[in-house]
Amino acid sequence: KAGVTQTPRYLIKTRGQQVTLSCSPISGHRSVSWYQQTPGQGLQFLFEYFSETQRNKGNFPGRFSGRQFSNSRSEMNVSTLELGDSALYLCASSFLGALSTDTQYFGPGTRLTVL
Amino acid sequence: QKEVEQNSGPLSVPEGAIASLNCTYSDRVSQSFFWYRQYSGKSPELIMSIYSNGDKEDGRFTAQLNKASQYVSLLIRDSQPSDSATYLCAAPNQGAQKLVFGQGTRLTINP
Repeated sequence: KAGVTQTPRYLIKTRGQQVTLSCSPISGHRSVSWYQQTPGQGLQFLFEYFSETQRNKGNFPGRFSGRQFSNSRSEMNVSTLELGDSALYLCASSFLGALSTDTQYFGPGTRLTVL
Repeated sequence: QKEVEQNSGPLSVPEGAIASLNCTYSDRVSQSFFWYRQYSGKSPELIMSIYSNGDKEDGRFTAQLNKASQYVSLLIRDSQPSDSATYLCAAPNQGAQKLVFGQGTRLTINP
C-alpha cells in the first residue's frame, strides 16, 4: 500500500507571495492533518480534515487555510508569506482522525523557504 | 503545564547500552500514546503505540505507561548508531481531533 505523498518536496518563495501544498493520504484514510515543524516551536498542529470538513484548527493566523477533496486529497494554502513561515510542513493521514487509538502516518513533508 | 512534555536532551548513550526516553503528560490529553522517530531532515515515523498501563515490547523497543504518574517512556535495548535520531512522544488532545507532540528528545548513540 502506498504511503502518504506530498508535493512539492521543496519550495522557495519570497515574502508576500502565496503557496499551495498538496497531500495525498494512504488509500482508505479519510482524515488528513497538517503540521508545521520549526526548530524553535517543534511540531505544531495546523488543521484536520475529515470527509471534506475541517474538524479542528490550531492557533495559526487566517493566512493559513486548507481544504479536502472528495477523494480525501488535501491542500493547504499560505497567503502573504512571511519569513517566519519557513518550515517543514507535514501532512499525516489516518482512518478516522486523532482518536485515542487511531495512528497517524506522516508524509515526507514539504520544505518551504521564504526569502 | 504543557499537554505533553519531553526532555529535549541531547541524550548520549554508548552503543549496546539501554537508552531511556521519557515523557510526561497532563489531563488534557487522552491516555493513548505514540512514539515517533525522526531522522534529521526526514518526517516522523511511528515506532510504537501504547494504550494500557504497563509495558509493551516490540523487538528492541519497550514502551511503558504509568497512568497514575502520568508518565510514558520508551526504552531502546542494545542501542545502535542507527538509533540516533529525535524521538517524539504524542497523544490525542481530549475532545479535539489533533495529536499533541512533545518537543522531542535528541538521542545520539556513540560507537
